[in-house]
Amino acid sequence: DTGVSQDPRHKITKRGQNVTFRCDPISEHNRLYWYRQTLGQGPEFLTYFQNEAQLEKSRLLSDRFSAERPKGSFSTLEIQRTEQGDSAMYLCASSGSGVISNQPQHFGDGTRLSIL
Amino acid sequence: DQQVKQNSPSLSVQEGRISILNCDYTNSMFDYFLWYKKYPAEGPTFLISISSIKDKNEDGRFTVFLNKSAKHLSLHIVPSQPGDSAVYFCAATGNTPLVFGKGTRLSVIA
Repeated sequence: DTGVSQDPRHKITKRGQNVTFRCDPISEHNRLYWYRQTLGQGPEFLTYFQNEAQLEKSRLLSDRFSAERPKGSFSTLEIQRTEQGDSAMYLCASSGSGVISNQPQHFGDGTRLSIL
Repeated sequence: DQQVKQNSPSLSVQEGRISILNCDYTNSMFDYFLWYKKYPAEGPTFLISISSIKDKNEDGRFTVFLNKSAKHLSLHIVPSQPGDSAVYFCAATGNTPLVFGKGTRLSVIA
């Protein structure tokens, strides 16, 4: 399968702990996106990378969140000092280069984070 | 302030009939619109898209219509099949990251 892969699928942790998620995009895609989805809402943009450069960050991305894509391939999203409100599905997507508008994003199956 | 709105949380349609899912947007800078389908426990799957220079795009049973003056688009599925039962998200972009609606849950009844 050559789709977007996310790990882990589920993460349960206590409030205050740090968590890290991994995303492996489609291999030929150089853009990688992170979204968050809560119950009853559509995915909300968090941040995106073109190759290893982080080009945009949403206001939703507080200073407890950090994302990296060190070699322009896989990406990690870390949440420090987790809070109840961080409970959500974290989705990763990737797309090809060119005008963003013409590049459909392909999503992974997400990491569901539950904060106890 | 929701820039992309899907005002119908749910829709039920009989198998074989047409399903029409609607989406409204407010940002005039959006120039590309997409529909995604989502099954439980899976990520959204890209379905069909349309550029703002077109008013219709068709792919098999799926057709998307765009009315720029009304800032409205719709997804038509005909004929509807039980396997089409899922949550459908409308998304829009203007060379920016995607902005999604809240989704419409489609149930196709056999």
